[in-house]
This record gives sequence, C-alpha cells and structure tokens, in this order.
Amino acid sequence: GAVVSQHPSRVICKSGTSVKIECRSLDFQATTMFWYRQFPKQSLMLMATSNEGSKATYEQGVEKDKFLINHASLTLSTLTVTSAHPEDSSFYICSASRRRFYSNQPQHFGDGTRLSIL
Amino acid sequence: AQTVTQSQPEMSVQEAETVTLSCTYDTSESDYYLFWYKQPPSRQMILVIRQEAYKQQNATENRFSVNFQKAAKSFSLKISDSQLGDAAMYFCALIKNSGGYQKVTFGTGTKLQVIP
Repeated sequence: GAVVSQHPSRVICKSGTSVKIECRSLDFQATTMFWYRQFPKQSLMLMATSNEGSKATYEQGVEKDKFLINHASLTLSTLTVTSAHPEDSSFYICSASRRRFYSNQPQHFGDGTRLSIL
Repeated sequence: AQTVTQSQPEMSVQEAETVTLSCTYDTSESDYYLFWYKQPPSRQMILVIRQEAYKQQNATENRFSVNFQKAAKSFSLKISDSQLGDAAMYFCALIKNSGGYQKVTFGTGTKLQVIP
C-alpha cells in the first residue's frame, strides 16, 4: 500500500488563487520531504527540500515566496502555490525519506497533483 | 554539482526479450547511492532497484539488474523477460548526503515501449 499520501490529486482553479497541496507519510516519520515539478514528457525537477523543524531549502530559480513550503510535523509537509497563474500549471510530486542521515533510504513518492490554472 | 545523464530518450523491446537502459553520472562524492525509478502512465513513481556506491556487487531484483561501473560512473538497468507492464518512463537517480540531508538528482528519463 501507499506509504506517502498526496492530496489533492487534481486541482483546477482560477488565476490568482492560492492552492495548497499536502504530502503525508502514512506509516513512518519523514525527516525529509521533497517537492518536485514535472512538465509533460520531462523529468522531475526538484523544487525544494523540506526538513522537519527548519526552513525549506529551495533550488536555484525557484521562488520561495511563490512556492511556500511548510514541514511542521514529521508526517506532513505542505506546498502552497500563492497567487497561481497559468504558467504554474504543472504536475507536482512530493516524496518522503525515512531517515535523515542515510542516503540509502529510497524516496517514497506520492501520486502527484495535477494543477491547472485557468 | 552532480549530474545524471540518460542518453536514450526512448527505447523499445519485444515482449520476453531483454533490454538495457543506460545511465551515466558525475559526482565528486565517494558516498552516494543510485536508484532506478519507474513511472507508468499513472505517473506514480515506483522504486525499481538501488545500488550502494561502496558495493562492488551489482544489485538484482527479480527480472531487474544493474551493471554498476563505478570508475566509469555508469549505472545501467537491465530488464530481462520484458513484460507489457514494464512499459513506462524510467528515471535514474543519484542521492547523496549533503550536510546531513539527502541531495537528489534525477536523469531526464527513458521511455520504454514493450512490443507484444
């Protein structure tokens, strides 16, 4: 069964709306969560790394004021796309890692959120 | 900076045959891990196999195996006895520790078509 739950799976909203996407680890404590953006037929682009209890680390070129990330607990991280515009339409995927200090822990992915801004 | 390169945008294989997907990478780190993920049309990312860089033995998971050449920084995925359900995008990923947290880089992906 799924170990990471991402909600909602699909969002359609008007330009200017803020949209929140949730990523939950269901049966483990996720010290690190990752947020990706994927354009059609392209690879996953890492947007930011979310560490529980500290500020998220954003990749170069990703606007932190545009994409607000909160990782308030060991099982929940949220991505808020503020004042969304059509160019923000994309597929957003989160992943969670069980342990902080070990690279061998695979990332468990959510099912993704398809965001469409009209 | 670390990079991951998948030079084959698309591959096709006949059902029951074997196919190899290539992946090369570049990193200055000595401690890292390599993964292959599969993304079917449902777009869910599924872990296929992983390899620790410090291990010389190639990882194997049922019909999936890797050819890990550390000196050449190559990490290819071999799929034996290909099945229709193997059709998907395959992404190679490199993960290392950076300041106590994971740093991950994905390749651009290879779309695998399985021909019945």
